Amino acid sequence: DQQVKQNSPSLSVQEGRISILNCDYTNSMFDYFLWYKKYPAEGPTFLISISSIKDKNEDGRFTVFLNKSAKHLSLHIVPSQPGDSAVYFCAASTSTGSQGNLIFGKGTKLSVKP
Amino acid sequence: DVKVTQSSRYLVKRTGEKVFLECVQDMDHENMFWYRQDPGLGLRLIYFSYDVKMKEKGDIPEGYSVSREKKERFSLILESASTNQTSMYLCASSLIGMAQGYGYTFGSGTRLTVV
Repeated sequence: DQQVKQNSPSLSVQEGRISILNCDYTNSMFDYFLWYKKYPAEGPTFLISISSIKDKNEDGRFTVFLNKSAKHLSLHIVPSQPGDSAVYFCAASTSTGSQGNLIFGKGTKLSVKP
Repeated sequence: DVKVTQSSRYLVKRTGEKVFLECVQDMDHENMFWYRQDPGLGLRLIYFSYDVKMKEKGDIPEGYSVSREKKERFSLILESASTNQTSMYLCASSLIGMAQGYGYTFGSGTRLTVV
């Protein structure tokens, strides 16, 4: 049973517009959430994270929003650029148990068109 | 700059061969992981290790084994390669109990093709 779900396998956005990538989770014990970005033929790289004590974290063009009651988080990219085209993975962790292993979603492939 | 280094970027092996994928990290991390990435299936955990000579099965350990003789090195072994093991293999490391900060650091991946 998937604990972290990214229900949209792909998303296409025009350059300059907002990209919104969504992630849902089922485990209420998750207390830390991360987004990774992956280009083809490369390993995933950390993008942004958020602790469960916050509902928003911003880093430049990237903002992550957390809605604990809905068990939902989203990544906003504004403005989107062609270089943002990649697969984005949502990940979650609990600070107790399993040594803090990350649980990954299946990813969303973002295409930003010029 | 901290690094996780995977020994090969691309590898082609024959069915039935024994295959070794090597991963080395220079961050003194306790935890190391092996994932495979396949289209539509995301990142699936094969094995992980919390310490030298320790290993734990992930979600899809069948057909694989691992070795961790030194803290910095974690090897993935395909005992008898099969075509369904054609995939992108990703190694990662992290501090113990970690999810704070940057989570895992990943290597660049090894694209393995079994023919």
